[in-house]
Amino acid sequence: AQSVTQLDSHVSVSEGTPVLLRCNYSSSYSPSLFWYVQHPNKGLQLLLKYTSAATLVKGINGFEAEFKKSETSFHLTKPSAHMSDAAEYFCVVSDRSGTYKYIFGTGTRLKVLA
Amino acid sequence: AAGVIQSPRHLIKEKRETATLKCYPIPRHDTVYWYQQGPGQDPQFLISFYEKMQSDKGSIPDRFSAQQFSDYHSELNMSSLELGDSALYFCASSSLIERDEAFFGQGTRLTVV
Repeated sequence: AQSVTQLDSHVSVSEGTPVLLRCNYSSSYSPSLFWYVQHPNKGLQLLLKYTSAATLVKGINGFEAEFKKSETSFHLTKPSAHMSDAAEYFCVVSDRSGTYKYIFGTGTRLKVLA
Repeated sequence: AAGVIQSPRHLIKEKRETATLKCYPIPRHDTVYWYQQGPGQDPQFLISFYEKMQSDKGSIPDRFSAQQFSDYHSELNMSSLELGDSALYFCASSSLIERDEAFFGQGTRLTVV
């Protein structure tokens, strides 16, 4: 069975400081992993994806994530937070053992302080 | 580029009524997934279709049914609505070539009053 665990339900950072959102995964297969962002009352926007190519993945809006097999982690980072980054972030694994449905983490609410 | 289209975007229904949500996948995508996101929760997988056949089933209530039509669009039918069905319903589609990456629609917000 595949799953993801987001280690923090809430993260607060000051504007201009680095962002770290943590995600660990469990998978019997080589995983496909994604990070999505959801602003209040909005849909899901893909930030970046890992599908067994480069382990350091660059996404939109300055975000990147590093796939670490030894640590079963896929943490999301950004060097400098912007007020507009305040949102809910979901780490997602694709169920490669079956129908490739997405399995979502419970989400991390990012708050950016002025 | 064409995206996944969901309609309606917003829907208000009364308890015990019926609702139908529609999803139009990206052209040439053969797989459709439905997810339900309750308030303050993560999206939960409901059901999926591949080539018009149900391919997987998650935590979908018996009051809900869905199908995929010959033009690959899909409909989620919800009957005997309950207050707890109020949620954001997402549809996503993917293709055989790139099964790993699903593209999401903007969602339908259903409010049951």
